[in-house]
Amino acid sequence: GAGVSQSPSNKVTEKGKDVELRCDPISGHTALYWYRQSLGQGLEFLIYFQGNSAPDKSGLPSDRFSAERTGGSVSTLTIQRTQQEDSAVYLCASSLEHQTSGNYEQYFGPGTRLTVT
Amino acid sequence: AQKVTQAQTEISVVEKEDVTLDCVYETRDTTYYLFWYKQPPSGELVFLIRRNSFDEQNEISGRYSWNFQKSTSSFNFTITASQVVDSAVYFCALSGSKRGGGADGLTFGKGTHLIIQP
Repeated sequence: GAGVSQSPSNKVTEKGKDVELRCDPISGHTALYWYRQSLGQGLEFLIYFQGNSAPDKSGLPSDRFSAERTGGSVSTLTIQRTQQEDSAVYLCASSLEHQTSGNYEQYFGPGTRLTVT
Repeated sequence: AQKVTQAQTEISVVEKEDVTLDCVYETRDTTYYLFWYKQPPSGELVFLIRRNSFDEQNEISGRYSWNFQKSTSSFNFTITASQVVDSAVYFCALSGSKRGGGADGLTFGKGTHLIIQP
């Protein structure tokens, strides 16, 4: 497809279970970002991958959150031992690789709505 | 630390009115990037504009225009002759530059919910 895709679109899980969320970036985009959107916290940056560089994990809220990006394309965000406060919409975005001329705009996927019961 | 403030939580206007959405930012970076995104009821964030800190030229795109003023750290967004389809939540966002290059995650404002009444 032409845009960023994410799966699943909805996920309901029990507290304490692990979940995996997937993101397929736009073809040719080497930068990939994860955000989450919740009513209380708004839109928060979680983690950023660019090319083969080490990811920027500065936004991850706890060590229960991790992400990987295989082959420089698809990314998986994993939340271990989910808590109710993890309930949110998890958004993935991708962009062209940063050049010295400036940051490129990020294009967002439709998100995964995670509900922890 | 970076911060984006969108003081207007919700704005409601009648169709065809002009409306301005305010955005004020804080950053210590000398080079930074400002963005506006639209989030319609469907939920997907739609990119509207990107502005570099070294380019203060205002921009117009159809009914949309943006006013960037470094002196007041503001990047306001105006919709002229608003339409019902403009109803959405609009987010202003800021991104810095890291030492040695590399992009940065976006810092978003809380968003302004714009309601255009027919």
